[in-house]
Amino acid sequence: AQSVTQPDIHITVSEGASLELRCNYSYGATPYLFWYVQSPGQGLQLLLKYFSGDTLVQGIKGFEAEFKRSQSSFNLRKPSVHWSDAAEYFCAVVHTSGTYKYIFGTGTRLKVLA
Amino acid sequence: DSGVTQTPKHLITATGQRVTLRCSPRSGDLSVYWYQQSLDQGLQFLIQYYNGEERAKGNILERFSAQQFPDLHSELNLSSLELGDSALYFCASQGALSTDTQYFGPGTRLTVL
Repeated sequence: AQSVTQPDIHITVSEGASLELRCNYSYGATPYLFWYVQSPGQGLQLLLKYFSGDTLVQGIKGFEAEFKRSQSSFNLRKPSVHWSDAAEYFCAVVHTSGTYKYIFGTGTRLKVLA
Repeated sequence: DSGVTQTPKHLITATGQRVTLRCSPRSGDLSVYWYQQSLDQGLQFLIQYYNGEERAKGNILERFSAQQFPDLHSELNLSSLELGDSALYFCASQGALSTDTQYFGPGTRLTVL
């Protein structure tokens, strides 16, 4: 069955430090891949998405993600974290054949230290 | 503001009751998705409607049903409510293409007592 794994439930970084959030997926073909962010009490906002082509994807708020087919990974990165980045981050995968069901990872909660 | 509206924002009800959650998609979007977010289950896809027709089904219980109306707003009906149904329910809207971005509403927090 298709699945998405975010191995880190919580991550704490200092403001200004770099960030990498991990995401691994299990899927036979190349799926559509997404990263969403959820601030407390809010809905989810799309940070970036990958469908095909260049494996390094730029998103909003200075985030980027790299698709690595050999590792079935789609890790999210930011070179310098801001206090406002504290939130929960979700990786998601969508089948690219048949029905387009979204499968979300369990999320990584990011804490930023001043 | 994503342009997706959900009502009500909060709902408190008792076990065994029935509730209806409403979602209005962004102008021009044809597709509506429903999700349930709970602490133990995480974010679960429930069901998708496209231009009034059911397109995909996820982990939706038989006690739950949804529909999308001609004006494209959608309703999620939850019946015979149990304590475990307490969760945040999100809808998201999407344009005509599967590659279009999903825009999430602010959610409805359901508490079943």
